[in-house]
Amino acid sequence: DAKTTQPTSMDCAEGRAANLPCNHSTISGNEYVYWYRQIHSQGPQYIIHGLKNNETNEMASLIITEDRKSSTLILPHATLRDTAVYYCIAFNAGNNRKLIWGLGTSLAVNP
Amino acid sequence: ETGVTQSPTHLIKTRGQQVTLRCSSQSGHNTVSWYQQALGQGPQFIFQYYREEENGRGNFPPRFSGLQFPNYSSELNVNALELDDSALYLCASSFSGGTLKTQYFGPGTRLLVL
Repeated sequence: DAKTTQPTSMDCAEGRAANLPCNHSTISGNEYVYWYRQIHSQGPQYIIHGLKNNETNEMASLIITEDRKSSTLILPHATLRDTAVYYCIAFNAGNNRKLIWGLGTSLAVNP
Repeated sequence: ETGVTQSPTHLIKTRGQQVTLRCSSQSGHNTVSWYQQALGQGPQFIFQYYREEENGRGNFPPRFSGLQFPNYSSELNVNALELDDSALYLCASSFSGGTLKTQYFGPGTRLLVL
């Protein structure tokens, strides 16, 4: 399972886009990039995932570089409720085993 | 809301005691994974259950054990509790049958061992 590297913390102004980077240079071809977030030690919340193509849903957009060695999660209009720890995970969804978590990025959205 | 529920929400035990945590999976899901999250750390995989059998295990001692029931709900049992077992215990459910097996998490059980 590939390891991911994320900045420890980031700040964002309310209403602006939050761009959270993730490096996964050793990702293998069958590993998806998954993003979760965790608010105040609640259970992690699934945000989005992708394999090669960029993805968008009602919560966020995921931009994956062509070589798949890095990705960026974009929250288009951050709100105070988006303050959380964001985790980027390379997950072999096909074998449905464990998610390997790093320390994530602590995002603070400021008024 | 993911539809994954866990009980109890909080628990206090003393060293040496035993504890059982419970998880009900999301409707349509047949797989349950358990994670331990110490304060300030990312979750650590404990084990996974599929069709009532253990389907993968992380680096946890045998005193961590589990069960999955025919309705796909699950239990995590920890014997001989140690102070370091104090953590947030998370359960995640998924469906093993499709192409993707996204895991959806419950709210967690916070265990304090004194």
